[in-house]
Amino acid sequence: KAGVTQTPRYLIKTRGQQVTLSCSPISGHRSVSWYQQTPGQGLQFLFEYFSETQRNKGNFPGRFSGRQFSNSRSEMNVSTLELGDSALYLCASSLGQGGIVGEAFFGQGTRLTVV
Amino acid sequence: GENVEQHPSTLSVQEGDSAVIKCTYSDSASNYFPWYKQELGKGPQLIIDIRSNVGEKKDQRIAVTLNKTAKHFSLHITETQPEDSAVYFCAAPHNTDKLIFGTGTRLQVFP
Repeated sequence: KAGVTQTPRYLIKTRGQQVTLSCSPISGHRSVSWYQQTPGQGLQFLFEYFSETQRNKGNFPGRFSGRQFSNSRSEMNVSTLELGDSALYLCASSLGQGGIVGEAFFGQGTRLTVV
Repeated sequence: GENVEQHPSTLSVQEGDSAVIKCTYSDSASNYFPWYKQELGKGPQLIIDIRSNVGEKKDQRIAVTLNKTAKHFSLHITETQPEDSAVYFCAAPHNTDKLIFGTGTRLQVFP
């Protein structure tokens, strides 16, 4: 069974640009959550999608957005990039049934560097 | 508010010794407590989890204990090996449907 796949693995962008990251969950999983990981802040929850609907949202500005497609693949977009957006972006997939947290499996992450 | 505190932030042990990492949570409705191990350059990997209907769960050298009254849970690693060196994260759900993570513990096991 294939794991969670995130693309690209590494990305370098310039301040002010926008970026789109992709996540393909484990087959059969309908929930995808996104996290930002930085050395000082640990794993911060961005948002969670289930069946193409955003179910939960963390405390991030509106520059961070996401969506989920009918095949459960998810994308997150960051517009008007700032230096502080440099981080490892992780997605996690789970069955997500019944709105109750269960086993979540992470991808390898996308390392975003903003210069 | 949602909060998961994790201690210690760093832990160094000799190979063969035990390691214990502790977490406390604030949401009394939380009922699922996973632990993740993150190695350099990789995403976090689920290593063990426990639900609120049990007080302890073991899987070979690792175990997790849960005290719902005190709202804390712990990861125990016995007979540590150099390959156990990694960053460990605890997590607990908030509002039952999103995981909040602790700040991580960097474990170093010296041969």
